[in-house]
Amino acid sequence: AQSVAQPEDQVNVAEGNPLTVKCTYSVSGNPYLFWYVQYPNRGLQFLLKYITGDNLVKGSYGFEAEFNKSQTSFHLKKPSALVSDSALYFCAVRDRSGSARQLTFGSGTQLTVLP
Amino acid sequence: NAGVTQTPKFRVLKTGQSMTLLCAQDMNHEYMYWYRQDPGMGLRLIHYSVGEGTTAKGEVPDGYNVSRLKKQNFLLGLESAAPSQTSVYFCASSYVSGSYNEQFFGPGTRLTVL
Repeated sequence: AQSVAQPEDQVNVAEGNPLTVKCTYSVSGNPYLFWYVQYPNRGLQFLLKYITGDNLVKGSYGFEAEFNKSQTSFHLKKPSALVSDSALYFCAVRDRSGSARQLTFGSGTQLTVLP
Repeated sequence: NAGVTQTPKFRVLKTGQSMTLLCAQDMNHEYMYWYRQDPGMGLRLIHYSVGEGTTAKGEVPDGYNVSRLKKQNFLLGLESAAPSQTSVYFCASSYVSGSYNEQFFGPGTRLTVL
């Protein structure tokens, strides 16, 4: 079975400060990992993904994420937060070797960037 | 390209009524998915399809049916709506090649069952 945990329901950060949104996962094999963002009353938008190779993945809007296999984590980061980054963020995982064709999503983290 | 579109955007049903949600994509994607989003629970997969004419159950399929008669459309049906089906429903699609392809999401349908 595959699962994802986002331990923080809410993250607040001041504009201009670095931000981190945490994600840990559990799979039986090796993972594909994704981050999505959801703005109010909108569908999810893809931010970035880890497939293989470099553990630091760069994505849209200046976001990046670091894959850490030993800690089974895939935290989302941005060096300098913007008020417009305020949104709901979802981490998702799929086991590469699993028969399931679907992603498993975390419960989401609400990011609020304060001006 | 319109991407993934969903019809309707909002709907209120009474218990026991039926309805169909329509999802359409113009990206020629093979895979399509239906999710429901509930507060604090993230997205849960209801049903999915890996191609025209094929469907499969996801994590929470009970009370829902789906059909994929055309590649670009994926319909979600509720035969007898229940208050527990009050939720926001999202459709998504993705390319067929590789299991690492990201999914593209529609804007959602907010359903309330009274």
